[in-house]
Amino acid sequence: DTAVSQTPKYLVTQMGNDKSIKCEQNLGHDTMYWYKQDSKKFLKIMFSYNNKELIINETVPNRFSPKSPDKAHLNLHINSLELGDSAVYFCASSQMTGGNGYTFGSGTRLTVV
Amino acid sequence: RKEVEQDPGPFNVPEGATVAFNCTYSNSASQSFFWYRQDCRKEPKLLMSVYSSGNEDGRFTAQLNRASQYISLLIRDSKLSDSATYLCVSFGATNKLIFGTGTLLAVQP
Repeated sequence: DTAVSQTPKYLVTQMGNDKSIKCEQNLGHDTMYWYKQDSKKFLKIMFSYNNKELIINETVPNRFSPKSPDKAHLNLHINSLELGDSAVYFCASSQMTGGNGYTFGSGTRLTVV
Repeated sequence: RKEVEQDPGPFNVPEGATVAFNCTYSNSASQSFFWYRQDCRKEPKLLMSVYSSGNEDGRFTAQLNRASQYISLLIRDSKLSDSATYLCVSFGATNKLIFGTGTLLAVQP
């Protein structure tokens, strides 16, 4: 049983399109995150939600909008996709906001053409 | 300057070798530290936490020096399966994991 699952695993789309990535965790964690890993393999946090409340919002273009319908789900919607959005997007979860025990999903490889 | 800095490598070592990775962090308010491992095209996975007293998990030893803001990971008796990217990670007052850029290890037969 997958602990943190993301869909889709791969996403190829044209510039200007709008797309969503979904994430679900069955660990009972109350905090979820979106991280972006760029072509240089650098992992950087984008957003964090704790019990459906946004607690971290890094300097991310407002074309990116996270939504958390409940504490087990955190989706990421991206409007007007650009070439520079191509990256691997990882969802993660943890219990509370502590540093321990982040569990990552397997990632969504987004390619914008 | 990145908040967590690592030598990107690659470190090419023969099987059985001992290899050490170093990492420095710039935010003295960072509270806890970790090493994560990331295999090619996979997600990062927690390898071990890092404590000032030093901690060991089998062939892996991690050490934290708060005075120098320096973290290390030692791998003894390297196996082919140790080949991966090792990510140094801090956690602090901003309530988020800050990742280094990772050090690539390639263990050769």
